[in-house]
Amino acid sequence: GQQLNQSPQSMFIQEGEDVSMNCTSSSIFNTWLWYKQEPGEGPVLLIALYKAGELTSNGRLTAQFGITRKDSFLNISASIPSDVGIYFCAGQLYDMRFGAGTRLTVKP
Amino acid sequence: GAGVSQSPSNKVTEKGKDVELRCDPISGHTALYWYRQSLGQGLEFLIYFQGNSAPDKSGLPSDRFSAERTGGSVSTLTIQRTQQEDSAVYLCASSLDRSYYGYTFGSGTRLTVV
Repeated sequence: GQQLNQSPQSMFIQEGEDVSMNCTSSSIFNTWLWYKQEPGEGPVLLIALYKAGELTSNGRLTAQFGITRKDSFLNISASIPSDVGIYFCAGQLYDMRFGAGTRLTVKP
Repeated sequence: GAGVSQSPSNKVTEKGKDVELRCDPISGHTALYWYRQSLGQGLEFLIYFQGNSAPDKSGLPSDRFSAERTGGSVSTLTIQRTQQEDSAVYLCASSLDRSYYGYTFGSGTRLTVV
């Protein structure tokens, strides 16, 4: 099936540092999305990418849709404590598949 | 409603009992999805409803799992004869239709089978 490999599994960083995480797949997708999940809540959409090569920003977040359509990355610049949470990548061809998540901890 | 509402938020049940989980999607959203999130895992697709079409049940892990959606709105996920491995957070999401990628998730139901 459409397996997504997301890395790293977890990150412990200092406030102010930049963060990078990525997702790869053996299958192509038409859409890549990045979600953030905070404790006790469902995932919330951060960025959606619809075109191979697309680079999109949302505040301190930047994400790219890989040119092969099989990968995507998410960068967070100048991290702050409220960035803490689990970040999921998701790829969609017909239905949506999710990566296992990257758990981000930010130390003040 | 303003968001996707799921109930109960927490459910503890004894092994072998049946449970029903409820999802109220955003009004007007024709697409509804159920996902399962096990500890430390990603989101596992379970089932998808689109309008009045037959649901896509390809993700249901066994015949103990079933779901229905009444009147194109509220959905119920039923797990019969629960097992300990069913313990997880069950998330519901809705979207305007399948081609609209902005899924809105509910807060989930945390199911614990003891």
